[in-house]
Amino acid sequence: EVQLVESGGGLVQPGGSLRLSCTASGFTFSSYSINWVRQAPGKGLEWVSYISSSSSTIYYADSVKGRFTTSRDNAKNSLNLQMNSLRDEDTAVYYCARPGIAAPGADYYYGMDVWGQGTTVTVSS
Amino acid sequence: SYELTQPLSVSVALGQTARITCGGNKIGRKNVHWYKQKPGQAPVLVINRDTNRPSGIPERVSGSNSGNTATLTISRAQAGDEADYYCQVWDSSIEVVFGGGTKLTVL
Repeated sequence: EVQLVESGGGLVQPGGSLRLSCTASGFTFSSYSINWVRQAPGKGLEWVSYISSSSSTIYYADSVKGRFTTSRDNAKNSLNLQMNSLRDEDTAVYYCARPGIAAPGADYYYGMDVWGQGTTVTVSS
Repeated sequence: SYELTQPLSVSVALGQTARITCGGNKIGRKNVHWYKQKPGQAPVLVINRDTNRPSGIPERVSGSNSGNTATLTISRAQAGDEADYYCQVWDSSIEVVFGGGTKLTVL
């Protein structure tokens, strides 16, 4: 079964750090880019970051640039999101999601057909 | 940055046709994707690249995209169609953009 599973969420104080993980199974992880998408309580979807299959291309939303870092380990079929200097507004469910095609440069134009179940991050004092 | 505009809510009678719009500047030139999300669940891709249904999505769900508006159409609406729907594009400013989401209510 094609699957993405997030972990690492929890409660953290403002200004603190947290590291999320996303583990893949059922497909050739090293061939696909991955996106991080978050959803604040009662709000819509917000894109956070994109990392290409080889890690050569990484993009961030302006709201997290300079604070969040995405990385991946294709040998371990895993992806990480290091979140520093956390703010109240970073409180959300964080999803990792895979585009529907394994094609560097073309996957931008495809929808995300595999999503994890999400992990909850709460930033509060 | 690029913006996508969706109505906050759409209502449809059981068995009728619902249309959810997604507005954006020259959106017809972009590939639009649609997601369905039920409470407490992850989003599910229902339309890929304007008009393509992933496997498992019924034929009564369709998409179109032209000019400044993309549209998700759900024919013969069922209770199970009740959900939040989001449109999404990739913008050349190097970002994924989501619409604000539309809550579909089946009456």
